[in-house]
Amino acid sequence: EDKVVQSPLSLVVHEGDTVTLNCSYEVTNFRSLLWYKQEKKAPTFLFMLTSSGIEKKSGRLSSILDKKELFSILNITATQTGDSAVYLCAGAHNAGNMLTFGGGTRLMVKP
Amino acid sequence: IAGITQAPTSQILAAGRRMTLRCTQDMRHNAMYWYRQDLGLGLRLIHYSNTAGTTGKGEVPDGYSVSRANTDDFPLTLASAVPSQTSVYFCASSDWGFTGELFFGEGSRLTVL
Repeated sequence: EDKVVQSPLSLVVHEGDTVTLNCSYEVTNFRSLLWYKQEKKAPTFLFMLTSSGIEKKSGRLSSILDKKELFSILNITATQTGDSAVYLCAGAHNAGNMLTFGGGTRLMVKP
Repeated sequence: IAGITQAPTSQILAAGRRMTLRCTQDMRHNAMYWYRQDLGLGLRLIHYSNTAGTTGKGEVPDGYSVSRANTDDFPLTLASAVPSQTSVYFCASSDWGFTGELFFGEGSRLTVL
């Protein structure tokens, strides 16, 4: 059975801190690893990673994949209160477009 | 409208009742999905459809059915609701050429008493 596990479950930091969110996966016929941000309602897409060692960056967010050790990390530098959200990690299968999601990490950034 | 529209936004339902959650997209995406989200369990796939006229079972399909009569609509039906189906339900869609990006609706919060 496919499994995606995220840690920590929740995190409270202060503005300006740097955080690292973890995601480990066991996905049959793995194709890619995806990160989503969920603020109040609908999750929104952040990154898709398909190759090991290549860092994806978008502003203060970056992510990297290790296909040998089956994990990914999402880094957020100089955190802001607007980064407060649940961050979801998901593994995509080679066959079809289905994703297996982890349970999420709830990040709270205090002023 | 733009994107994915779900209805109703929230609903309280008596156990044993039939309920249909509606989902409509205007992006002409081939694939559509229904997920449920429960605290600590993330998003779990209920059913999916890769193209109009076809559907498939996800991780937690029992007690749910779907249909895909056309590209835009993908309703989810609970034939006889049970309290364990209390959850937030998200409809999503994606292009056939999978880029990884699922577009989600705003969710439907369902409470079964």
